Amino acid sequence: DSGVTQTPKHLITATGQRVTLRCSPRSGDLSVYWYQQSLDQGLQFLIQYYNGEERAKGNILERFSAQQFPDLHSELNLSSLELGDSALYFCASSAFPGQGNTIYFGEGSWLTVV
Amino acid sequence: GENVEQHPSTLSVQEGDSAVIKCTYSDSASNYFPWYKQELGKGPQLIIDIRSNVGEKKDQRIAVTLNKTAKHFSLHITETQPEDSAVYFCALSGSARQLTFGSGTQLTVLP
Repeated sequence: DSGVTQTPKHLITATGQRVTLRCSPRSGDLSVYWYQQSLDQGLQFLIQYYNGEERAKGNILERFSAQQFPDLHSELNLSSLELGDSALYFCASSAFPGQGNTIYFGEGSWLTVV
Repeated sequence: GENVEQHPSTLSVQEGDSAVIKCTYSDSASNYFPWYKQELGKGPQLIIDIRSNVGEKKDQRIAVTLNKTAKHFSLHITETQPEDSAVYFCALSGSARQLTFGSGTQLTVLP
């Protein structure tokens, strides 16, 4: 158990809908990351937050957004969903945001868009 | 940006044999190289990592070697066991700060 908690574990929704994925980082970790894992794209970095502020952006679509709250939990919002958005979405956390900090992953949220 | 290539994509070994997975990269600013193990239905789990000021690191049956000159690093698993069967990902961080992952290696340990 990495200590990173994600909900929901599974989600099925229709195209055009909006969903919110939730993440609680490990106790004491200030930085949260979101990754998308699909069969054809592997593990892709989406976005990073540190202590409530956006730190870095990766291959995140404009239809997707995220935020980190004062209690350090984070949410990833996915809107206008398309079939191609079906994937595993992982949250990860680290104590600090810098290069070389150990990053721990949650168990993921499996999103299926039908 | 950072790019990392991982080989092989699949690897089958007999129980008790060794397994080696190799990753190559291009960004000379990369200085942190973790390896993750992902079992079916679970998140990636950090199994070992190495930083650029170290050439080799070992933890029981797992070792990682780093050759900064040649820009490659490798995961070595000795005395493989069926529970080692999983997908293994190399990763690195450097100038981009975030982890960039390799494409993964499906390791199967045959009993």
